[in-house]
Amino acid sequence: QVQLIQSGAEVRKPGSSVKVSCKASGFTFSKYAFNWVRQAPGQGLEWMGGIIPTIDISNTAQRFQGRLSITADEATNTGYMELDSLRSEDTALYYCARGMVRGVVIIGMDIWGQGTTVTVSS
Amino acid sequence: QSALTQPASVSGSPGQSITISCTGTSGDVGSYNYVSWYQQHPGRVPRLMIYDVTKRPSGVSYRFSGSKSGNTASLTISGLQADDEADYYCTSYASTGSLIFGGGTKVTVL
Repeated sequence: QVQLIQSGAEVRKPGSSVKVSCKASGFTFSKYAFNWVRQAPGQGLEWMGGIIPTIDISNTAQRFQGRLSITADEATNTGYMELDSLRSEDTALYYCARGMVRGVVIIGMDIWGQGTTVTVSS
Repeated sequence: QSALTQPASVSGSPGQSITISCTGTSGDVGSYNYVSWYQQHPGRVPRLMIYDVTKRPSGVSYRFSGSKSGNTASLTISGLQADDEADYYCTSYASTGSLIFGGGTKVTVL
């Protein structure tokens, strides 16, 4: 069964960091990309960044550059998202999503994880 | 990079057809045939409905179709059903290497 299973909910204080994992199963990890998308309460979807593990190419949305790290471990079929310098506005549901690839370009997302709630509060 | 522009809401009666627009720029929608559409029911995970502007993944109803003209992509839902009531989001690949989402459209079945 093709699926992405994410790590559990996190609560962090402002200024700290959070790392969320996403374990893939049921498909060939190396043929796809990993994306991270977040959704603040009552808001729309926002693409944060993605990585093509097999060629180690990643891309991050401009607003997260400098505080977002996206990595992938092919040995364990697991992707990671680490966000630093957390603020209250980062409180959201964070999804990982399998990325469809054309050459070195991530063009969309076809399988989604269940989501991980990250709450930033003092 | 600014979000793609979608109408906040679209409504229709059962059996009717509705179209949701997604307007970008020459740096994203206008230059690449990499537009996707996602359906999200309240409290649920997004689901891919259309990719590469017009392609439907396995399992998606033929009632969903996509198109593009210039800087605007569109999702059409024909034979509207109660279960189609959801939020719909478009994305496009952009020249910056990023994926850009639209703001989302709430579809209401009257």
